Amino acid sequence: SQELEQSPQSLIVQEGKNLTINCTSSKTLYGLYWYKQKYGEGLIFLMMLQKGGEEKSHEKITAKLDEKKQQSSLHITASQPSHAGIYLCGAAPGTASKLTFGTGTRLQVTL
Amino acid sequence: DTGVSQDPRHKITKRGQNVTFRCDPISEHNRLYWYRQTLGQGPEFLTYFQNEAQLEKSRLLSDRFSAERPKGSFSTLEIQRTEQGDSAMYLCASSLARVTNTEAFFGQGTRLTVV
Repeated sequence: SQELEQSPQSLIVQEGKNLTINCTSSKTLYGLYWYKQKYGEGLIFLMMLQKGGEEKSHEKITAKLDEKKQQSSLHITASQPSHAGIYLCGAAPGTASKLTFGTGTRLQVTL
Repeated sequence: DTGVSQDPRHKITKRGQNVTFRCDPISEHNRLYWYRQTLGQGPEFLTYFQNEAQLEKSRLLSDRFSAERPKGSFSTLEIQRTEQGDSAMYLCASSLARVTNTEAFFGQGTRLTVV
């Protein structure tokens, strides 16, 4: 079965700083999803990557899938308190889009 | 359409009672998924439907759990004879089945506490 490892597990950054979260898979990724979750709430879809080398951006968040399709990174530029939460990467084993998730990265943004 | 809707948002029940949760997916989505999430962990897949057919069930889904999607629209997840270990957030997601992967959108979840 596919396993996803996220690093770091938690992160505290000062407002305005940049940060990167990594997601490494034990198998080739056919679809890599990034979600954000506030404590006690559902998951908010951020981005989906499918092609090796693909990069997508939304506002100040950029996600990349490496060429070998076994690692993805999520980069936040000029972090804001609204970026605080848990970031989860999810992987699809094929086209069924049933997802396996990492354990998440908890991000705190201090003023 | 405002997205995936789950009801109730919170449920507290006594051990041994039955509970039922409801999920209303995004209207044009034909796939519906149930996940369970415990504190500090990522969501774990339980089961999914394409239209009204239940196509896959995880080993996590014990005999006490049953899910239905009778008309290919909303779905229910029932847990019988609840145990304290069932306490978790139950998440529903929906997507549109295509040849390639498509975005999966989640609801706000139902938090179950078994006392």
